[in-house]
Amino acid sequence: DAGVIQSPRHEVTEMGQEVTLRCKPISGHNSLFWYRQTMMRGLELLIYFNNNVPIDDSGMPEDRFSAKMPNASFSTLKIQPSEPRDSAVYFCASSLGWGNEQFFGPGTRLTVL
Amino acid sequence: DQQVKQNSPSLSVQEGRISILNCDYTNSMFDYFLWYKKYPAEGPTFLISISSIKDKNEDGRFTVFLNKSAKHLSLHIVPSQPGDSAVYFCAASKTSYDKVIFGPGTSLSVIP
Repeated sequence: DAGVIQSPRHEVTEMGQEVTLRCKPISGHNSLFWYRQTMMRGLELLIYFNNNVPIDDSGMPEDRFSAKMPNASFSTLKIQPSEPRDSAVYFCASSLGWGNEQFFGPGTRLTVL
Repeated sequence: DQQVKQNSPSLSVQEGRISILNCDYTNSMFDYFLWYKKYPAEGPTFLISISSIKDKNEDGRFTVFLNKSAKHLSLHIVPSQPGDSAVYFCAASKTSYDKVIFGPGTSLSVIP
C-alpha cells in the first residue's frame, strides 16, 4: 500500500484565499484524523472521522475551518478565508477501527502570506 | 492547558549511549500511552505503546516505562544510533479506543 497520501505537499497562498487540503487514507482503514503542527502548540487534533462520519470536531479552531469525508477513500480540510496564523504543517492520519496506531501522511506545509 | 508535557525540547546523546526521553501527563484518566517518531518532512510513525496495566514494555532497543502514581513515562533507547535522530512525541488517551493527545515533542540528536 502507498500509505496515507496528502496533496499538495506545499501550499503558499495569500491571506483571504480559500485553501483545500486533500487526503487519501490507507485502504481498509475506517478512521481518519486531521492534525495541525505548529511550533507553539505542537501536534493538535483538529477533527476525526469514523466510517466517514465526523465524531469529534472540537479541535477545529474556527468556523473558517471545515472538513468533509464524502467517501471512505477521500477527505478534505478547507480553510476559507485563510489567515497568516493558519500557517502550519497539516497532517492526515488513518487507522483501522478505533485503534491508536495511526498511520500519518507526509503532511502539507501551508504558508499564508 | 497542556495535558501531555515533554519538558525537554531537545536532547543530545553520544552514539552507543542510552537516550532517555521523558513525558509527564496531568489527566489521571489517561490509560494508554504511545510514542511516535518523526523525521523532517515526514509524518510521525508509531514506535511503541503501553497500557496502564503494565509498567514496562520493550521492543528491541526501545523500552517504555510507566509510573502511574507519578503520571510519568519515559522512553529508553539503548544503544542510541545516529538514525534515531528525530523528534519523539509522547501521546496519551483515555482508552485504546479514544482520541490521542500529543505532547509537544523532544528533538533527539545522536552524535556519531
